[in-house]
Amino acid sequence: NAGVTQTPKFQVLKTGQSMTLQCAQDMNHNSMYWYRQDPGMGLRLIYYSASEGTTDKGEVPNGYNVSRLNKREFSLRLESAAPSQTSVYFCASRLTGDGNTIYFGEGSWLTVV
Amino acid sequence: AQSVTQLDSQVPVFEEAPVELRCNYSSSVSVYLFWYVQYPNQGLQLLLKYLSGSTLVESINGFEAEFNKSQTSFHLRKPSVHISDTAEYFCAVSENTGGFKTIFGAGTRLFVKA
Repeated sequence: NAGVTQTPKFQVLKTGQSMTLQCAQDMNHNSMYWYRQDPGMGLRLIYYSASEGTTDKGEVPNGYNVSRLNKREFSLRLESAAPSQTSVYFCASRLTGDGNTIYFGEGSWLTVV
Repeated sequence: AQSVTQLDSQVPVFEEAPVELRCNYSSSVSVYLFWYVQYPNQGLQLLLKYLSGSTLVESINGFEAEFNKSQTSFHLRKPSVHISDTAEYFCAVSENTGGFKTIFGAGTRLFVKA
């Protein structure tokens, strides 16, 4: 059971470089989310997608873009990475009607130097 | 907009002692409430959730939480903790509408000592 799969698991970027974090879920979930986790700040919502074809800003969207490519996939792009974007990123998904339970991927550790 | 406040960043406790992790929330719409647990270097796992009905909800490993609408709280409790309960615990609130945007608290690190 794959669940929510994120790639890459680890990445080091130089300031100004761009990269895309990929996320795919095989549970036929409607909604997908990207969070970042920083010490002492918990998880902060970057963007979410309520359904295929829609995306909305979360708490901390600046510096990021997202694409809901299809129902399975939801990517997060950093166009010009900054050291402040060093974080652990989690992708998650949710099925409408499943009591709103969110299922998380294992995380992507990103360091911007 | 909703928000979640976890009142304690760290809670040290001795094994077999009771523990309470506090969570308060605010929202202008109806919500669902959750507790998630995160073990080191892992993603978050659902511990328990409140959707409707009985205000006291329980997990399979002895945790329970009580939804208190008047105090807008959803505190997590366990009467006797084990070393293996050492982890970070996150309270979350999800809007019961639209995209079901889910916001998490800053987390409480539970450290169980022998």
